[in-house]
Amino acid sequence: GENVEQHPSTLSVQEGDSAVIKCTYSDSASNYFPWYKQELGKRPQLIIDIRSNVGEKKDQRIAVTLNKTAKHFSLHITETQPEDSAVYFCAAGAGSYQLTFGKGTKLSVIP
Amino acid sequence: GAVVSQHPSWVICKSGTSVKIECRSLDFQATTMFWYRQFPKQSLMLMATSNEGSKATYEQGVEKDKFLINHASLTLSTLTVTSAHPEDSSFYICSAGTPIGPYQETQYFGPGTRLLVL
Repeated sequence: GENVEQHPSTLSVQEGDSAVIKCTYSDSASNYFPWYKQELGKRPQLIIDIRSNVGEKKDQRIAVTLNKTAKHFSLHITETQPEDSAVYFCAAGAGSYQLTFGKGTKLSVIP
Repeated sequence: GAVVSQHPSWVICKSGTSVKIECRSLDFQATTMFWYRQFPKQSLMLMATSNEGSKATYEQGVEKDKFLINHASLTLSTLTVTSAHPEDSSFYICSAGTPIGPYQETQYFGPGTRLLVL
């Protein structure tokens, strides 16, 4: 089955700086890669996703890049704000339905 | 985006009792729903995949007789924790699959149910 590794497990950045979270996956059949943000005690919220036919996708301060050859994808947050502080999960899925999640990255943005 | 509700949001029960958790997709039909368990500061662990009108598919190590899943309609799936014990205390989150393109779904999560078994 799919195995998703996520790094780092914790990340602290100064407000205004950029944050990068990286994930690798093992199953070459995976073709869908969403990122979720989970605030303490709340549900994971889909923030951005990318499919394997695209190398990069951007939505305001958030971007995701995908390297299918190397089987890794990354989340980039620019101009970080305190409200970006949360746990971020990457996931990988093949076609539809089931997703395999990374272990999460706790991002702290220091004012 | 798609809205998924979950009820109850938290429950405290005595050891040995059963607890039912409901997951509803409010503004879309979900042929597939997923049940996860999340321990503090850990990732989401998939327990089972629930398809409307058929038996759920359980992940390895998840006892299907203990965690009963019913997906009676395209908008409702239930998880029943039978004969709950303290080690079943956890945060249970459901998600509903919704199409984002041909042959592709993404998942939208419910708000979760915090279960404490005394």
